[in-house]
Amino acid sequence: NAGVMQNPRHLVRRRGQEARLRCSPMKGHSHVYWYRQLPEEGLKFMVYLQKENIIDESGMPKERFSAEFPKEGPSILRIQQVVRGDSAAYFCASSLTGGETEAFFGQGTRLTVV
Amino acid sequence: GQQVMQIPQYQHVQEGEDFTTYCNSSTTLSNIQWYKQRPGGHPVFLIQLVKSGEVKKQKRLTFQFGEAKKNSSLHITATQTTDVGTYFCAQEGSSNTGKLIFGQGTTLQVKP
Repeated sequence: NAGVMQNPRHLVRRRGQEARLRCSPMKGHSHVYWYRQLPEEGLKFMVYLQKENIIDESGMPKERFSAEFPKEGPSILRIQQVVRGDSAAYFCASSLTGGETEAFFGQGTRLTVV
Repeated sequence: GQQVMQIPQYQHVQEGEDFTTYCNSSTTLSNIQWYKQRPGGHPVFLIQLVKSGEVKKQKRLTFQFGEAKKNSSLHITATQTTDVGTYFCAQEGSSNTGKLIFGQGTTLQVKP
């Protein structure tokens, strides 16, 4: 049973380009969460999705960031027109029931904007 | 908004010494989770505490949940170099959706 799969592991983008981060949850999990971790800091919640629905996007910046979790395929976190401040580790987590259960984290995508 | 304060931010110990990290909330928590993140790695779930005053042990790790469910601690007895990493507590957001609010983490360094 594969864990949460994220790709790419490392992504380098120039300022103004788009970054697309992918996350496949654990088999059987339909609840997906995205978190951002700036260097030397804790994880900050960004968005919570279930299949084809955004449930909570209260942690997502209003501009340039979007997320989806289509019926088929992985969840995608998309950052348009990246800036240096977007450089961070982006972690995806999945859970079985979406409340009061442990979250399983992927290995993360380390985004560097140059 | 909801916040979880975690102290200390950094701790350097000699191998064999004990280590404790503390987590405090201004609000009553329904539960608290602890995660460990190795350098360059991803958070890995350690445990969840639910009941007031709960104490759970995992080998050399002891987790406590306060009587008022507003604080928690993780204690490691006789640290080893394999304990190196950042330990995070996390509380569930008020919406009960599984969204986690993380403390700032305590980074543990162990000198052999």
